[in-house]
Amino acid sequence: DQQVKQNSPSLSVQEGRISILNCDYTNSMFDYFLWYKKYPAEGPTFLISISSIKDKNEDGRFTVFLNKSAKHLSLHIVPSQPGDSAVYFCAARYTGGFKTIFGAGTRLFVKA
Amino acid sequence: ETGVTQSPTHLIKTRGQQVTLRCSSQSGHNTVSWYQQALGQGPQFIFQYYREEENGRGNFPPRFSGLQFPNYSSELNVNALELDDSALYLCASSLGRGGYEQYFGPGTRLTVT
Repeated sequence: DQQVKQNSPSLSVQEGRISILNCDYTNSMFDYFLWYKKYPAEGPTFLISISSIKDKNEDGRFTVFLNKSAKHLSLHIVPSQPGDSAVYFCAARYTGGFKTIFGAGTRLFVKA
Repeated sequence: ETGVTQSPTHLIKTRGQQVTLRCSSQSGHNTVSWYQQALGQGPQFIFQYYREEENGRGNFPPRFSGLQFPNYSSELNVNALELDDSALYLCASSLGRGGYEQYFGPGTRLTVT
């Protein structure tokens, strides 16, 4: 059951420009949405989160937007840097806290 | 502060065998979750342990079982291995039953032949 979907397997962006990664979900029982970044041979690293009662959260170059009516969230990276090249996973946590569902990931390439 | 560690790094097993994977959680974290990541997919939730008790389970059969110890380290056991069990197994620790920020280990790559 694909409750969290990342429909773009990959994205290529020029250094300095904005990267926008998208994620859709189907379940209304999630209380937190999260983005993780993964480099090869490493485990995913927590990047940024947003509560289901918010519509925006910002942390430095990273901003996450949540559109509850559309069941859609996006991660904006501005400006993009070559070190941002990685796989980005969107994740959603069930209310109650015990289960987190991950999307399939989007591979971001930032070209110098 | 010690991060999440997992052992072994790689493992090759034969169909029908049993395997045990180990995880040491980040210092101070009392919750451990296990995930299976198949090639090209995101991590899939197997189960979570909080203070030595199973706190929730995903859609995995009973041959996937686990333990959490008093020091909050954890084991994942898989019996009667099948070819489809070949995957990267990730352990993640977090603080408290409701902690949403998880810290992942590097994973154990299991190959079943």
